[in-house]
Amino acid sequence: KQEVTQIPAALSVPEGENLVLNCSFTDSAIYNLQWFRQDPGKGLTSLLLIQSSQREQTSGRLNASLDKSSGRSTLYIAASQPGDSATYLCAVDSSASKIIFGSGTRLSIRP
Amino acid sequence: DVKVTQSSRYLVKRTGEKVFLECVQDMDHENMFWYRQDPGLGLRLIYFSYDVKMKEKGDIPEGYSVSREKKERFSLILESASTNQTSMYLCASRRTGEAFFGQGTRLTVV
Repeated sequence: KQEVTQIPAALSVPEGENLVLNCSFTDSAIYNLQWFRQDPGKGLTSLLLIQSSQREQTSGRLNASLDKSSGRSTLYIAASQPGDSATYLCAVDSSASKIIFGSGTRLSIRP
Repeated sequence: DVKVTQSSRYLVKRTGEKVFLECVQDMDHENMFWYRQDPGLGLRLIYFSYDVKMKEKGDIPEGYSVSREKKERFSLILESASTNQTSMYLCASRRTGEAFFGQGTRLTVV
C-alpha cells in the first residue's frame, strides 16, 4: 500500500531564504507526483505536476524534482516571501484513479 | 483555467439530516473525487467516479453515498448526518494527470 510522508511537519524561515520541502513515498510504481499549496480554510491549489518519466518541473520560483528509484521528491522555493506561507502537500498517483496525499508541511516565512 | 466549484463554503446541519454536497467542474474531466480533511488525519478519499453513473469506494465510504448523473457534476450525500462527519470536504477532478480542487466546504453537524 502506497504511503506518502512529508518531513518536517512545520518549518519557519526568514524572508529571502531558499528552502526545500521533502516528500517520500514507499512504492516507486507511480504515474505522477503533484505538489499543492493550501491556505488556511481553503481548497488546494496545484503548483507543479511531475510525470513519472520526468526528473523535474519548474514554475517561477518553484522547482520540483522527482527520484522514483529512491521514492523521493523535493520542492525548492527560491527567495521565499511572506506570501509563500501556507501548507504544502505532495500527492502521488499510483493507480489510474487513486491519489495518495502526504500530511503536509506547514511553512511560515518570517518578514 | 479549470474550474471546480463546490456549492457551499460553509454549512451547518443537524444530526440526522440528509445532506447534499455538490461539485461541478467545467473541463469535461472523466474522474471526480470527494475527500475529507481533518487535523492530524490529512486528506482521506471517500468516493471517486471515473465516468457518469460509475463510482468506487475510497478509504472511508461508510455513512456516505455519491451520485454522478452528469459528467460535470458529482454529489456527495450524507444519508444521516452525524457529529463525527463534521469536517472540511474537498472535491477534485482530473482527466489523467493534474488534479484540480474546489474551494472546500466546511460542514458542521450539530
